[in-house]
Amino acid sequence: GENVEQHPSTLSVQEGDSAVIKCTYSDSASNYFPWYKQELGKRPQLIIDIRSNVGEKKDQRIAVTLNKTAKHFSLHITETQPEDSAVYFCAASNNNNDMRFGAGTRLTVKP
Amino acid sequence: NAGVTQTPKFQVLKTGQSMTLQCAQDMNHNSMYWYRQDPGMGLRLIYYSASEGTTDKGEVPNGYNVSRLNKREFSLRLESAAPSQTSVYFCASSRDGSLYGYTFGSGTRLTVV
Repeated sequence: GENVEQHPSTLSVQEGDSAVIKCTYSDSASNYFPWYKQELGKRPQLIIDIRSNVGEKKDQRIAVTLNKTAKHFSLHITETQPEDSAVYFCAASNNNNDMRFGAGTRLTVKP
Repeated sequence: NAGVTQTPKFQVLKTGQSMTLQCAQDMNHNSMYWYRQDPGMGLRLIYYSASEGTTDKGEVPNGYNVSRLNKREFSLRLESAAPSQTSVYFCASSRDGSLYGYTFGSGTRLTVV
């Protein structure tokens, strides 16, 4: 089955700096790549997603890039704010209902 | 519009006891999922129901059973709880399969002693 690796496991940045989280996947048939944000003690929430026919997608301060040839995708957060502090999960799916998640990145934004 | 509702929020079981985790969604979604979340391991799929009337095993199904009671409800049963099943359990739903974003419930923190 699909295997998703996520790096780094922890990331600390200064407020206003950018943060980048990277994921790789193993199944070349995967074609949907969502990102979830989970605040402490809360449920994961979808923040952005990208499909395989697109190389990049932006939503305000958040962007995701996808390189299908290399089988990796990344989350970019610009102008980070303390409220961006959370655990972020990447995931990959090929519509077999077995969406696989990365192990998560704990992002801390220091004021 | 409550989204995905899970009960209970917390539960402590003794080894060998059984329990059922309840999940209901009010978004008219076709697909529903049960995940467990353990530290450092992300979310792992236990069982899923692609549509009403169907259920299938995920990555870690051993020790669990599920029932898709109707389109809204998808329950997870632990027949004989083991300490290895101590985890946070999340139910999720999607419009139709895993090519759409998931809406998660608020989770059940289960401790088996």
